[in-house]
Amino acid sequence: AQTVTQSQPEMSVQEAETVTLSCTYDTSESDYYLFWYKQPPSRQMILVIRQEAYKQQNATENRFSVNFQKAAKSFSLKISDSQLGDAAMYFCAYRGIQGGSEKLVFGKGMKLTVNP
Amino acid sequence: NAGVTQTPKFRILKIGQSMTLQCTQDMNHNYMYWYRQDPGMGLKLIYYSVGAGITDKGEVPNGYNVSRSTTEDFPLRLELAAPSQTSVYFCASGLVYGYTFGSGTRLTVV
Repeated sequence: AQTVTQSQPEMSVQEAETVTLSCTYDTSESDYYLFWYKQPPSRQMILVIRQEAYKQQNATENRFSVNFQKAAKSFSLKISDSQLGDAAMYFCAYRGIQGGSEKLVFGKGMKLTVNP
Repeated sequence: NAGVTQTPKFRILKIGQSMTLQCTQDMNHNYMYWYRQDPGMGLKLIYYSVGAGITDKGEVPNGYNVSRSTTEDFPLRLELAAPSQTSVYFCASGLVYGYTFGSGTRLTVV
């Protein structure tokens, strides 16, 4: 079964600085999707960024970028120029593509605090 | 375009009562999921569906049931509510490459 591990339960960063959130996963599949979701205090789950495993190029969305290391099964999220509004829980998620792998599996999450 | 709609937003149940959490999506997505999120924890998969008439168990299915008679609706049934089912419940729908979540249902069993 696929598993997603976020080993850092909490992190903090100063406003305008850069922070990296780590995530590792375990799978025997060769093709899959990886996601980072943000959950602010409003509780709404918001998609931050997505990476397709067959793409070697790391995904980027404005201030958010990933470092995808397929061989190491690592998927870290970098937030540049951190803003107060980035404070939230961040969840890494995995989704297989093959039949029978339709589960969207989440890590336990990491709480990010942004200090002014 | 409403996205994923969950009702109710809040509910208090007494031990042993039953209820159905409703989830409706208007995006014609095949994949739908139910998760529970306990305080300070991640999302645990309860049940999921890959299309109308097809459902499967997730990580924590005990005490819950689902049905998927239409593409749009994926209700979650709680039978004989227990305090351990106190949680926030999220429904999600999507395609392989992206998912939309409802705003959640906060359920308290007393």
